[in-house]
Amino acid sequence: DIQMTQSPSSVSASVGDRVTITCRASQGIASRLAWYQQKPGKTPKFLIYAASSVQSGVPSRFSGGGSGTDFTLTINNLQPEDSATYYCQQAKSFPLTFGGGTRVEIK
Amino acid sequence: QITLEESGPPLVKPTQTLTLTCTFSGFSLSTSGVGVGWIRQPPRKALEWLALIYWDDDKRYSPSLKSRLTITKDTSKNQVVLTMTNLDPVDTATYYCAHRRGSGLLEFDYWGQGILVTVSS
Repeated sequence: DIQMTQSPSSVSASVGDRVTITCRASQGIASRLAWYQQKPGKTPKFLIYAASSVQSGVPSRFSGGGSGTDFTLTINNLQPEDSATYYCQQAKSFPLTFGGGTRVEIK
Repeated sequence: QITLEESGPPLVKPTQTLTLTCTFSGFSLSTSGVGVGWIRQPPRKALEWLALIYWDDDKRYSPSLKSRLTITKDTSKNQVVLTMTNLDPVDTATYYCAHRRGSGLLEFDYWGQGILVTVSS
């Protein structure tokens, strides 16, 4: 199985800050990585696919990068509504696996 | 517009079998390339992929749960059913069904609202 490790597990930042979350795969997955946002008590929302392609309707302050084993999700100009837990998912092979999540809090 | 909705019992006793139904609209599981998956999330924990079924009835399962899971589809009803046997309290989780983004792809772009299933005697 491909293990997905996210860091940090939580981050606290102020409105307007830039936040970067890292996701590392235990083996190379090319660009087969997705990111999801989950607010408390809500369904995961699909944000980014193919490591860096932003899903339609997602604010442009969200961006993704990386390939191989190391990936990032960056939130520029952090907004109060960005408070959520973010998960990465490898979409390279079965079994599909998710990272442990990164909680983003607004100071 | 794609929507999915999970249904099933909110409470199951240990050792019992859980049957969850995902009823969807906005796409057809008879269309080439389409797939529907199940993902669960124990309270305050991360997401865990369980199973995926393709338009051609091909199926994939999480290896750690494969012996306990069965995924099926009813194309005429626009439904996907997940069966999990021999439930244990550790199976307490919110169960989601989700639409696979497209042919050859393994991420999920539309999710149901989820159903919380509690396993307790």
